[in-house]
Parts: sequence; structure tokens; C-alpha cells
Amino acid sequence: EILMTQSPASLSVSPGERATLSCRASQSVSSNLAWYQQRPGQAPRLLIYGASIRAAGIPARFSGSGSGTEFTLTISILQSEDVALYYCQQYNTWSITFGQGTRLEIK
Amino acid sequence: QVQLQQWGAGLLKPSETLSLTCAVFGGSFSDHYWSWIRQSPEKGLEWIGEVTHSGSTNYNPSLKSRVTISVDTSQNQFSLDLKSMTAADTAVYYCARLFIVGPIRILDYWGLGTLVTVSS
Repeated sequence: EILMTQSPASLSVSPGERATLSCRASQSVSSNLAWYQQRPGQAPRLLIYGASIRAAGIPARFSGSGSGTEFTLTISILQSEDVALYYCQQYNTWSITFGQGTRLEIK
Repeated sequence: QVQLQQWGAGLLKPSETLSLTCAVFGGSFSDHYWSWIRQSPEKGLEWIGEVTHSGSTNYNPSLKSRVTISVDTSQNQFSLDLKSMTAADTAVYYCARLFIVGPIRILDYWGLGTLVTVSS
């Protein structure tokens, strides 16, 4: 099983600033990585797939990068609606695995 | 617009079997895979398994011995059975569409979730 490790566990950022979230895979997953946002009380929502491709309707302030074992989700110009848990997910193997999440708060 | 509506019992006793059903509205049911995921504070998000419209399945190896995912194409529905439930299976259970194209396997539409509690 490929283990996904996210850091930091929680992050507090001021409105208008940039948030940078990291995800590391225990072995290479190429670019087969997705990011999800989960707002309080809601189901997860797909943000990014293919490590850097925004899903339909996702604002341009969300961007993803990386390949192999190291990945980054960047949220530029943070807004209050971005308060959420963020998860990475690998799909390099048929058995999907998720990271444990990063909690993003507004400072 | 694709919508997933899920239902099932939310309170179970240890050793009982969890049964959840998810109905799909909109889109093409037969063109996609359908999946169950659960979320708990202890384990976070955990993929349970997937099913195709023809009934082919893949399961998380850690749950494979207890899981059955089935499909009813006449109703555009798919179901989860998880037997021998314990307190460790307490979680919010989600159904979702698994979009597969080439190497891409992403969960692009989700149900609202069902809180399942296992308690004697």
C-alpha cells in the first residue's frame, strides 16, 4: 500500500496571503495525484488531478505541482471560504489511498 | 449534473451487517465506476471499493474479507454490505463516482454521507 503523508497537519494563514500544503508519497506515484477540499459538514470536493490539472469550476487561485513522491497544493490570495480540510489522494495503483489531511484556518 | 443520494441504517450493534445504497441521478450510469469511501477521525479517508455497471468489483485489501459492493443497473443504484461490524467501523460512509480515463482514477461526484455508529 502506498502511504501518503501530508504536512503540516494544520495551517493558519491571513486572508489574501498564500497557503502552501505538502503531500509526500512513500513511493513514486508519477503524476497520479489528486487534491480534495472538504469544508465543514460537507463531502470532499475534487480540486486537482494529474498533480496540476484543475477540476471543472475550480478557481485559478488553486494550483498543484510536483511529481514522483513530492507534491504541493498552493492557494494564492486566501479567502475565508477556503477554510477546510485538504486531502491528497494517489491513484498510481488501483487501490486508492489518501493522506491524513491538512486543516487550513484563517488567521 | 450528477447527483448521488445515499441511505441506510445509521446505528448498528457489533457483529451486525452494514447495508447502504446509493442512487445516481444524471449522467451515464453505465459509463462509470462507482465507489464507497469512509471517513473516521482515527483513519481519515479510506477507500472501501468500487463496482462497474456490469458488477465487476475491486476492494480495499484490508476490508476485502468483509465487503460486498453490488449494482442494480435497472435502478441506477449500487450498494455496500460490510459484515461483522465493530466499533472500529464507526465512520461517515460516502458513495462517489469514480471517474476513470487511462491512468486517472478520481472521485468527482460524492453523496452527502451517512454517519454509521456501531455500539452495543
